[in-house]
Amino acid sequence: SQKIEQNSEALNIQEGKTATLTCNYTNYSPAYLQWYRQDPGRGPVFLLLIRENEKEKRKERLKVTFDTTLKQSLFHITASQPADSATYLCALNTGGFKTIFGAGTRLFVKA
Amino acid sequence: GAVVSQHPSWVICKSGTSVKIECRSLDFQATTMFWYRQFPKQSLMLMATSNEGSKATYEQGVEKDKFLINHASLTLSTLTVTSAHPEDSSFYICSARDWAGSTDTQYFGPGTRLTVL
Repeated sequence: SQKIEQNSEALNIQEGKTATLTCNYTNYSPAYLQWYRQDPGRGPVFLLLIRENEKEKRKERLKVTFDTTLKQSLFHITASQPADSATYLCALNTGGFKTIFGAGTRLFVKA
Repeated sequence: GAVVSQHPSWVICKSGTSVKIECRSLDFQATTMFWYRQFPKQSLMLMATSNEGSKATYEQGVEKDKFLINHASLTLSTLTVTSAHPEDSSFYICSARDWAGSTDTQYFGPGTRLTVL
């Protein structure tokens, strides 16, 4: 079955640096992949969607890449700020109606 | 756009009582909604898929008689935790699917913190 792997260890970076989070998946490549942000005690918030025929997608300080050969998506936050501290979830549609979510990676940005 | 509300945001109840949680899509119609639960520092766990006008589909291990789901309209789904016990205490989150052409995105509610005493 399709699985998603995100780095379970927290990522600590200094303010102003670029944060890079990794999402790896097994089996077949999905038609598209999504990234969400979740703050403690809150529901996830949708950030970006990238399709399999798109290598890169940008939105303000966010950038997502999708490499179907490596079966990997990278999520970048440039010029990171303490307010970017949160858990970031990778999600993919398995075909049909089901979306599966990774466990998420916690990001801490220090001032 | 694509806002999902959830009510209540938190609830404390006594063991044995039932609790209803509402999930509404405010600016779009959702034929499909999802209910998740999440324990501290753990991933989202899908409980069931709620389809408007039909029975919900439950994930393996989720008791359908304990977690009653009703999706009566295109903008409202409810989850009722019946005869709640302390082990049901958790963070419950709903999401609504929004189809946009060939892709679908789930938009989540803010979550409901349930504490059963």
